[in-house]
Amino acid sequence: AQSVAQPEDQVNVAEGNPLTVKCTYSVSGNPYLFWYVQYPNRGLQFLLKYITGDNLVKGSYGFEAEFNKSQTSFHLKKPSALVSDSALYFCAVRALYNFNKFYFGSGTKLNVKP
Amino acid sequence: GAGVSQSPRYKVAKRGQDVALRCDPISGHVSLFWYQQALGQGPEFLTYFQNEAQLDKSGLPSDRFFAERPEGSVSTLKIQRTQQEDSAVYLCASSLGAGVETQYFGPGTRLLVL
Repeated sequence: AQSVAQPEDQVNVAEGNPLTVKCTYSVSGNPYLFWYVQYPNRGLQFLLKYITGDNLVKGSYGFEAEFNKSQTSFHLKKPSALVSDSALYFCAVRALYNFNKFYFGSGTKLNVKP
Repeated sequence: GAGVSQSPRYKVAKRGQDVALRCDPISGHVSLFWYQQALGQGPEFLTYFQNEAQLDKSGLPSDRFFAERPEGSVSTLKIQRTQQEDSAVYLCASSLGAGVETQYFGPGTRLLVL
């Protein structure tokens, strides 16, 4: 079965500090991993994805994520948080043999305080 | 360019009514997905179209749910005899191709069944 887990419902960080939003996955075969952000009353916006290659993936708005196969993790990171980064973040996985389906985590609410 | 649009943005229905939710994908996108997002949860896959063909409807929760994309562009998700448990945000997403493509999401339709 394919799944992702986001162990933290909420992450609080001060503006200017580094942030990490955690994601672990369970998938048969090579995973395709994605991060999306959701602002209130808006659809999900794509941040970045890992398909193959370099384990460190850079995405939109200064975000990056590190794929770690041994730990089955794909944590989202940013060196310096902004108040405007406050939103709901979703990790998603897509299986190689069933690329029609995305499996989303339950989401992590990021609060960046001034 | 224009993104994915959905209408209506909000829908209130009485239990037992039928509803129809519309999705206009990005022009030229082959793939179209429907998701259901319950409050506080991540999106859950409902169904997938490649052009006009519905290739996967394994996520539809009951036979009251029906989706179509007759001309390979606009799609409609229909829910018959709505129940309170159908209350959720229904998200539509499209992607350019049929492989491991980034999905672009619409703003969603928030359905409330009273």
